[in-house]
Amino acid sequence: AQKITQTQPGMFVQEKEAVTLDCTYDTSDQSYGLFWYKQPSSGEMIFLIYQGSYDEQNATEGRYSLNFQKARKSANLVISASQLGDSAMYFCAMREGPMEYGNKLVFGAGTILRVKS
Amino acid sequence: DGGITQSPKYLFRKEGQNVTLSCEQNLNHDAMYWYRQDPGQGLRLIYYSQIVNDFQKGDIAEGYSVSREKKESFPLTVTSAQKNPTAFYLCASSAVRRREDEQYFGPGTRLTVT
Repeated sequence: AQKITQTQPGMFVQEKEAVTLDCTYDTSDQSYGLFWYKQPSSGEMIFLIYQGSYDEQNATEGRYSLNFQKARKSANLVISASQLGDSAMYFCAMREGPMEYGNKLVFGAGTILRVKS
Repeated sequence: DGGITQSPKYLFRKEGQNVTLSCEQNLNHDAMYWYRQDPGQGLRLIYYSQIVNDFQKGDIAEGYSVSREKKESFPLTVTSAQKNPTAFYLCASSAVRRREDEQYFGPGTRLTVT
């Protein structure tokens, strides 16, 4: 079974508008963490935002925020005021279990975002 | 500047040859990871190491081998037993002190085997 599901293979958004990228996850652990990464065409992976399973507030980092709905097992990324430089592949990833098991991540298939001028 | 270096950026090999991809970090991170990415897909974990001289298989370890003799270095060997080695390989490292410790990635190596 897929641990991380990103149902939107591609998305378009107009410059300066907000966009939501969907991510649902599957785990039976109580302790887990959710990460979002951006991958431009150059291939590097850039960390954007983190949400812990015990965090009561939705995470925010500048123009990035996370719409975390624990009961629905979803952790959608919201990008406000889109910029042309936001065009990239976006990955949702999950770390499961206690820290003693390490920090390894399971990644979703990604969503390609294109920002139109 | 702290970071992760991977070399070379592009690598070409003939089928049947082993090839080693290098990964070095100067972030003083305990954990290091190797991922494989195929076109249009997510990252899949090959191997990871949480401490020097110890490493564990990830989801797709068959046909790959690693070593972790130094904290800074985690080379990946793609052996001739790997049936479809052409892919983009990403190395990462992380601290393992806090739940929110993110993985830092290198620039990647694109391996083409013909």
